[in-house]
Amino acid sequence: GAVVSQHPSWVICKSGTSVKIECRSLDFQATTMFWYRQFPKQSLMLMATSNEGSKATYEQGVEKDKFLINHASLTLSTLTVTSAHPEDSSFYICSASGGAPETQYFGPGTRLLVL
Amino acid sequence: QKEVEQDPGPLSVPEGAIVSLNCTYSNSAFQYFMWYRQYSRKGPELLMYTYSSGNKEDGRFTAQVDKSSKYISLFIRDSQPSDSATYLCAMIPRQGAQKLVFGQGTRLTINP
Repeated sequence: GAVVSQHPSWVICKSGTSVKIECRSLDFQATTMFWYRQFPKQSLMLMATSNEGSKATYEQGVEKDKFLINHASLTLSTLTVTSAHPEDSSFYICSASGGAPETQYFGPGTRLLVL
Repeated sequence: QKEVEQDPGPLSVPEGAIVSLNCTYSNSAFQYFMWYRQYSRKGPELLMYTYSSGNKEDGRFTAQVDKSSKYISLFIRDSQPSDSATYLCAMIPRQGAQKLVFGQGTRLTINP
């Protein structure tokens, strides 16, 4: 199957700092990438959808100025959590689709802890 | 009412048992149906996907879709302790749409 990587796998930062998370499709070109957030024992919550070279589409309630998404190439998307606060602590997961929307492949996730 | 309903469990069964995981949905527009497996602190892994009604088999896994009842199932035969994970159903409407709609996920434990 297709491989999606995320970096870093975990990060601890101080409140007020910004954190960048990378999502890469390693063996296919991802026309669309998705960013999710997952709280313990809960399902995935879609934050935004990004298409290569276009602005991301954010879900209702997700602050686009706080969660900056860049999809500059067909293999890389980044999520930047700006001015992070403890309530932003969560598990962030990206997924990538190479065309057929039903075949989304997920990254391993990034655990963010804001102190 | 949620678009996709899935019993969160937890579900605990002995090794070797047949496991049945299910989801119901309310939107008749859903056409593509997926099952993902998620181990603790990991991203979801695509196990099965089916289009429209019918059965699909892959090794010990069988996915079943009954669109008339708006009901999908995942069967795991000869369950192993390594199958212990959270199983998420997901679905998507007609081709062209992009957002997966997930169930809550069922936590499954296979006891040796």
